[in-house]
Amino acid sequence: ETGVTQTPRHLVMGMTNKKSLKCEQHLGHNAMYWYKQSAKKPLELMFVYSLEERVENNSVPSRFSPECPNSSHLFLHLHTLQPEDSALYLCASSQDWAGVLNQPQHFGDGTRLSIL
Amino acid sequence: AQKVTQAQTEISVVEKEDVTLDCVYETRDTTYYLFWYKQPPSGELVFLIRRNSFDEQNEISGRYSWNFQKSTSSFNFTITASQVVDSAVYFCALSSPYNQGGKLIFGQGTELSVKP
Repeated sequence: ETGVTQTPRHLVMGMTNKKSLKCEQHLGHNAMYWYKQSAKKPLELMFVYSLEERVENNSVPSRFSPECPNSSHLFLHLHTLQPEDSALYLCASSQDWAGVLNQPQHFGDGTRLSIL
Repeated sequence: AQKVTQAQTEISVVEKEDVTLDCVYETRDTTYYLFWYKQPPSGELVFLIRRNSFDEQNEISGRYSWNFQKSTSSFNFTITASQVVDSAVYFCALSSPYNQGGKLIFGQGTELSVKP
């Protein structure tokens, strides 16, 4: 059983809908991440939160809005998405965000998002 | 700039064959970490190994082995006596603690198919 849980596993939504992806980690980690995985492309880092503060935003469109209410939970709020946003969205966590140890990131199963 | 190249997009082998997945990286940092992750059809990325740039010892874990060669900037992954359960997409990744806060740079992945 993974220490990082994502819900829902699959989501189909229209371009005008508003939905949220949820991620919960049970590992006591301090850093959480959102990645986008499109077909035939490397994973793209979207957002990083460290101790509930956003520390990185990689030029992600504003139709994606992250929220980190506490160190165990991370949300990705979706609004007015485009067909090219269809992808697998992966959440990950690690003990810390930066530092010489570079602990490995632990990933959830992902949410497969399809935009109609 | 940092970059990870996995030149093999897809590999297909028959069970019990040995298979090597190639990974070549680029970085100007002297301190960095290399990772391999496995992504089975379920979607979750599973951490396999982390190696720091100062440790060039090869590592073996069961049927898995890794060959790190700084001279050729490669970190290749070999599966011995492959099994059907090894079928997955494998990602090589690079991060530098002093560059971009340890952001993981992923290769495009190699899809391994092991046939019975």
